[in-house]
Amino acid sequence: QSVLTQPPSVSGAPGQRVTISCTGSSSNIGAGYDVHWYQQLPGTAPKLLIFGNSNRPSGVPDRFSGSKSGTSASLAITGLQAEDEADYYCQSYDSSLSGSRVFGGGTKLTVL
Amino acid sequence: EAQLVESGGGLVQPGRSLRLSCTASAFTFGDYGVSWFRQAPGKGLEWVGFIRSKPYGGTTEYAPSVKGRFTISRDDSKSIAYLQMNSLKTEDTAVYYCTRDRYSSSWYSDYWGQGTLVTVSS
Repeated sequence: QSVLTQPPSVSGAPGQRVTISCTGSSSNIGAGYDVHWYQQLPGTAPKLLIFGNSNRPSGVPDRFSGSKSGTSASLAITGLQAEDEADYYCQSYDSSLSGSRVFGGGTKLTVL
Repeated sequence: EAQLVESGGGLVQPGRSLRLSCTASAFTFGDYGVSWFRQAPGKGLEWVGFIRSKPYGGTTEYAPSVKGRFTISRDDSKSIAYLQMNSLKTEDTAVYYCTRDRYSSSWYSDYWGQGTLVTVSS
């Protein structure tokens, strides 16, 4: 049972827009801690996609965007491409769990 | 570009120990915190623990699932971080990743190693 809740799967056709939600609580996202997103392509290590709720590292296309409101955050992907098919994880910090970084369970994005 | 390479994984019996290494390059290792994460087969990501940089005390934090069994250390002169794993259990079987960490109102990992597989089995 993950501390942050993500949908297990989402799908979309090439060119479409999809969003992935990440729901937390008052001890993590709702407490003001930033949310970060990682992309894990099949068989590879995770890669930082969004940090600080909405910032893209250098090299990440602007098709990827993040937002946060209240106890939730979202990752949006526009202009969906076949190479976007991957697992996506949100991550934050939880003040009720000493030192703990917490993750969502991951969302599998399928490009139809 | 920063690079991290894990090593030391393998097959180990329950109750035994194993030490993983994380060798960094292309950045000033001593300026950054380092985390270890793991991913059990077919499962999601789990944070294992973290070591701060020496300027911030070099202190460590651990997930409850490994606290008291796992120890993270670092040798900045060699740009290496270690994960000492004792009293291993079958549920510790996973790919272990080390990361370079940064802070933005919560810690995040901007570079990840390729991972090393640890299998705990008799």
